Amino acid sequence: QLVLTQSPSASASLGASVRLTCTLSSGHSSYAIAWHQQQPEKGPLYLMKLNSDGSHNKGDGIPDRFSGSSSGAERYLTISSLQFEDEADYYCQTWGTGIQVFGGGTKLTVL
Amino acid sequence: EVQLLESGGGLVQPGGSLRLSCAASGFTFNNYGMSWVRQAPGKGLEWVSDISDSGDSTYYADSVKGRFTLSRDNSKNTLYLHMNSLRAEDTAVYYCAKDSTYADYPDHWGQGTLVTVSS
Repeated sequence: QLVLTQSPSASASLGASVRLTCTLSSGHSSYAIAWHQQQPEKGPLYLMKLNSDGSHNKGDGIPDRFSGSSSGAERYLTISSLQFEDEADYYCQTWGTGIQVFGGGTKLTVL
Repeated sequence: EVQLLESGGGLVQPGGSLRLSCAASGFTFNNYGMSWVRQAPGKGLEWVSDISDSGDSTYYADSVKGRFTLSRDNSKNTLYLHMNSLRAEDTAVYYCAKDSTYADYPDHWGQGTLVTVSS
């Protein structure tokens, strides 16, 4: 079964960096994912598609502070030079034939 | 600029029906698959349904299969979600999304429309 696992919460200080993790279920370590950001009371925003080799395609206007990387079944979203506006929920998502799956989301707090 | 504008949400009684619409602009609508994703109050994102660019293929989450029908009118650049036999657990903000060129993931999202199922 295709499942994505995310930690429920993360925190980091203003100006620092943070790395969020999304783990693919067993047997699905080659899958690409997408990262989406959802600021409070807003619709989601597509950040990037992240492949198993770490290559990624960012959405229009997404700052360079956002980057992605991969290792095995883990997919990472790194945000550097944290801003207060980065405080949001971050969702990873993947897809198969006739199905899309979202992780449970990570709530990022900027201290 | 890609724009997706959802409409049709509201309050409906359990067992009732509702039709959501998503008006698309800023891209060649009939070249892209489209999706609906929902978010229950205080919860995460849940994929609901997806439709191919031509409308020939549709896919549904198990939670809505047999109750929801996804369709599109490419002449009107509009996506529709027909929802029948609504349940309290269908209460959510429903987001329309444009799928990427490369695969079935959203690369643009609407702002959502709220559906409340309650007596």
